[in-house]
Amino acid sequence: DTTVKQNPRYKLARVGKPVNLICSQTMNHDTMYWYQKKPNQAPKLLLFYYDKILNREADTFEKFQSSRPNNSFCSLYIGSAGLEYSAMYLCASSRVTGQLYFGEGSKLTVL
Amino acid sequence: SQWGEENLQALSIQEGEDVTMNCSYKTYTTVVHWYRQDSGRGPALIILIRSNEREKRSGRLRATLDTSSQSSSLSITAAQCEDTAVYFCATHRNNNNRIFFGDGTQLVVKP
Repeated sequence: DTTVKQNPRYKLARVGKPVNLICSQTMNHDTMYWYQKKPNQAPKLLLFYYDKILNREADTFEKFQSSRPNNSFCSLYIGSAGLEYSAMYLCASSRVTGQLYFGEGSKLTVL
Repeated sequence: SQWGEENLQALSIQEGEDVTMNCSYKTYTTVVHWYRQDSGRGPALIILIRSNEREKRSGRLRATLDTSSQSSSLSITAAQCEDTAVYFCATHRNNNNRIFFGDGTQLVVKP
């Protein structure tokens, strides 16, 4: 089973409200990633967990939080959504320097 | 994109034609991934090429990697309508867990 599952598939949020997106994988992969994807743009790496160590990109450091309570589960948390957060959020998992397995994505619309 | 100088392209070709998409990268890597993304889906790996493989084939797909010029290409032979998708290259920055995507190519194959 090479499935990565994301919930919810669609999320509508008000400006200033928190958003929590969830991802799970059953492949026992050591690394889990979150990417932000906007139309006509490449997926942008936000952060990743290698085992229990969180690595956040410098330009998104303060905007996104994440947790990984166990190997299979990873969340992405936005404390106060802004209009610019509207995007598709893609979760992926991999073994070290291996291919990425993506979920179907969570489409966030901020109003 | 976060790292690449890949030209963002929109390519439209006729069914049966061959097409090549190019990707260049700035930092040292030993592996280049190529993903395709269909509308409403997460990206999926279609071919992965390592530095000890100057060329790799998978069905109608052919990837090349030139580490001296830090570039990779993806060719599709005899394109079919179902090849219509967005194609991205991605690579590990300095061979760590951080995986970045190039800008991508929107390929449309017309019947």
